[in-house]
Order: sequence, then C-alpha cells, then structure tokens
Amino acid sequence: GENVEQHPSTLSVQEGDSAVIKCTYSDSASNYFPWYKQELGKGPQLIIDIRSNVGEKKDQRIAVTLNKTAKHFSLHITETQPEDSAVYFCAANTGANNLFFGTGTRLTVIP
Amino acid sequence: DTAVSQTPKYLVTQMGNDKSIKCEQNLGHDTMYWYKQDSKKFLKIMFSYNNKELIINETVPNRFSPKSPDKAHLNLHINSLELGDSAVYFCASSQVVGGTQYFGPGTRLTVL
Repeated sequence: GENVEQHPSTLSVQEGDSAVIKCTYSDSASNYFPWYKQELGKGPQLIIDIRSNVGEKKDQRIAVTLNKTAKHFSLHITETQPEDSAVYFCAANTGANNLFFGTGTRLTVIP
Repeated sequence: DTAVSQTPKYLVTQMGNDKSIKCEQNLGHDTMYWYKQDSKKFLKIMFSYNNKELIINETVPNRFSPKSPDKAHLNLHINSLELGDSAVYFCASSQVVGGTQYFGPGTRLTVL
C-alpha cells in the first residue's frame, strides 16, 4: 500500500515568516494530494489540494508543489499569522478510494 | 448548515460496554468513511461505504460494525469496548469514490 512520510513533526516560525512542510509518497499510482489543517478539538479541514497533472497550485498565502518524479510534494505558507497555528496533514490517494495520511506537522506561529 | 455532523462529541464509557457513534452528511455525497485518530494524531481509515455498500474494510477488529441505513448516514457500533479503543473517531464524506473528503468534528471516545 501507499506510505506517506511527513516532515518536520513540529515547526515554529515567527509571525510573518514562511513555513514549509514536506511529504513523500511511495506509490507512483497516487494521483491526488490534499492538505488538511486540524485545529484543536476540530476535524481536519481541506485547505488546498493538487492533482498529478499539475506541478504547482496557489491560493492566496498557501501554495502546494508536486514533483512526481521524486514522489514528493510540499505545502508553503507565506506571511504566517497566529491563526495558522494548527496541525497540518498531507495525504495521498491512489484513486482506489483510500486516503493515506502523513503523520502530521504541528505548526506554531509566534506573534 | 453543518456539512458532516457526528454525535456524540464526547463519549466516556466502561470497558466491556457497547456504544454507537452516529454520522450524517447533508452534502448529497455518495461515499462515507470512518477514521480513527490515536493519541499521536495519526489518522487511519477504518471503513468506507459507497451508496450504502461497504467498499473498504481495513484491519479492524470485528467488534467494530459500521451500518449505513441510507447514503446520508454511516453509524459506527462498537461491541465489548477495550481500553485501546480510546481515540477520536472521525466521519468523512466525498461526492464520489476517490474524491475530496470532508470531515466531521470528531467523537472523542474514552474507555475507562
């Protein structure tokens, strides 16, 4: 099955700085890569996703890049704000319905 | 307005009891899921239903039995609860199999 690794497990940045979270996957059949944000006491919320026919996607301060050859994808958050503090999960889907999640990154934005 | 809802939000019970968690989605989606999130925040799929039919059943003890009375509901019944069942359980749905998944708020189960 698919194996998704995520780094780092914790990340602290100063407000206004950028944050980058990286994930790798093992199954070359994976074709859909969503990112979720989980705030304390809440369920994961989709913040951005990318499909394998695209190399980069941006939505305001959030961007995701995908390198299919190297089997890795990254989340970039620019101009971080305290409300960006949360646990972030990457995931990969082979199209067979299963979403395989990374182990999560706890992001802390220091005011 | 809640897209995916779960009840109860918190569930505290004794070992050996039987309990149920309910999930409902009002998005008109065909596919629903149950995930377990352990104390280290690791999210793992347990079950998936498409149009009320089971399509994924990961390695989960048969004490866990999902039931989908209709496309909008996927309930999780757990028999003979064990200490290791303590976790947060999330329901999710997607429009189609393999589509974007939307999660509920979670049910924190504590087994004493």
